[in-house]
Amino acid sequence: GQNIDQPTEMTATEGAIVQINCTYQTSGFNGLFWYQQHAGEAPTFLSYNVLDGLEEKGRFSSFLSRSKGYSYLLLKELQMKDSASYLCAVRVRDAGNMLTFGGGTRLMVKP
Amino acid sequence: DVKVTQSSRYLVKRTGEKVFLECVQDMDHENMFWYRQDPGLGLRLIYFSYDVKMKEKGDIPEGYSVSREKKERFSLILESASTNQTSMYLCASNKGGGLGYGYTFGSGTRLTVV
Repeated sequence: GQNIDQPTEMTATEGAIVQINCTYQTSGFNGLFWYQQHAGEAPTFLSYNVLDGLEEKGRFSSFLSRSKGYSYLLLKELQMKDSASYLCAVRVRDAGNMLTFGGGTRLMVKP
Repeated sequence: DVKVTQSSRYLVKRTGEKVFLECVQDMDHENMFWYRQDPGLGLRLIYFSYDVKMKEKGDIPEGYSVSREKKERFSLILESASTNQTSMYLCASNKGGGLGYGYTFGSGTRLTVV
């Protein structure tokens, strides 16, 4: 099976930078996804990494190291609307296109 | 705009009732999934389907069944609802083949069993 760990909660200040880490143990790794989920709403896709390195998309970036089983989501210039849960999810080769999710990190942005 | 639609946003049912949660997608996706989401436990897979009339158990299938009679519709059935099935239920879909690109989620159904 897969084991995916991420911190339960984080707090950061508006305008700052925050890094949310995700570690995973899996065989047949075939991609890592980050989703954002506001309270009471469905998760929405943020980023996808399948090769090592950094993927940048505006204020959000995601990094992957396959050898270390490690990813992070970097949020820059934090805004109050970034207060949400951030879900790390892994896809494995033998499981078709099914994703396994971590428990999520609840980020609170304070003024 | 592509969509996954869940029929109810909020539901309250009594213990022992048979409950149907409906999910419809308009993207011609082959794969559909049902998850439940609970505080501290994250998203857990209940059942999934790779094709019409196909179903596979996920990590926590006990107390649930599913139906996929048409490609666009994937139904989750609670045969006899219990209070420990109070949860947020999320339906998701994605394209089949080896390079599926993550999920599109429905808005979720918050089910309370009393």
